[in-house]
Amino acid sequence: DAKTTQPTSMDCAEGRAANLPCNHSTISGNEYVYWYRQIHSQGPQYIIHGLKNNETNEMASLIITEDRKSSTLILPHATLRDTAVYYCIVRVEAGGFKTIFGAGTRLFVKA
Amino acid sequence: DTAVSQTPKYLVTQMGNDKSIKCEQNLGHDTMYWYKQDSKKFLKIMFSYNNKELIINETVPNRFSPKSPDKAHLNLHINSLELGDSAVYFCASSPHRAGNTEAFFGQGTRLTVV
Repeated sequence: DAKTTQPTSMDCAEGRAANLPCNHSTISGNEYVYWYRQIHSQGPQYIIHGLKNNETNEMASLIITEDRKSSTLILPHATLRDTAVYYCIVRVEAGGFKTIFGAGTRLFVKA
Repeated sequence: DTAVSQTPKYLVTQMGNDKSIKCEQNLGHDTMYWYKQDSKKFLKIMFSYNNKELIINETVPNRFSPKSPDKAHLNLHINSLELGDSAVYFCASSPHRAGNTEAFFGQGTRLTVV
């Protein structure tokens, strides 16, 4: 079963920041938090990942709480092309990418 | 060039048939995976190979048999197809099996069993 909890769906106005929350209260110390997204009819696309510290790349920022039990993915200036299902997943360290993707959050970016 | 490519993209077949889905990655990665995305959109891992060695084998019927002729290829063969096998199957690869690497996914193969 998935180890994360996300809202089913969210709306965001184009040009505004999209903040997608995720709860992972049972995360263990050596597990990473990953975010992927899946645009309709395409394969999942990697966005960002982190362990303890906040991370930023050209796509997004990842804010992880100090206790690591939750995180927030921030798309700073959402565009219509960011409409997708966003998956927050916890990466099991051993045995390879044994990742289970949950239902994710369906983000609708509206003009 | 496509990093992770799967063929075919669509596959419609009758119950009881045997079919294969092929996957190739040109990223030089050591680890490859097969995922199944069901009608509820959950993506669940099925298999993982690291340098041609099977490292993950989730609870999957033994009608599903992965084959890795080399580390750039991981094919999925399915025997005696059933209606419940209808899903989108994704292949993925990652540089290695450790916890801090990202995976790259193919575009998926939509399998429909009629």
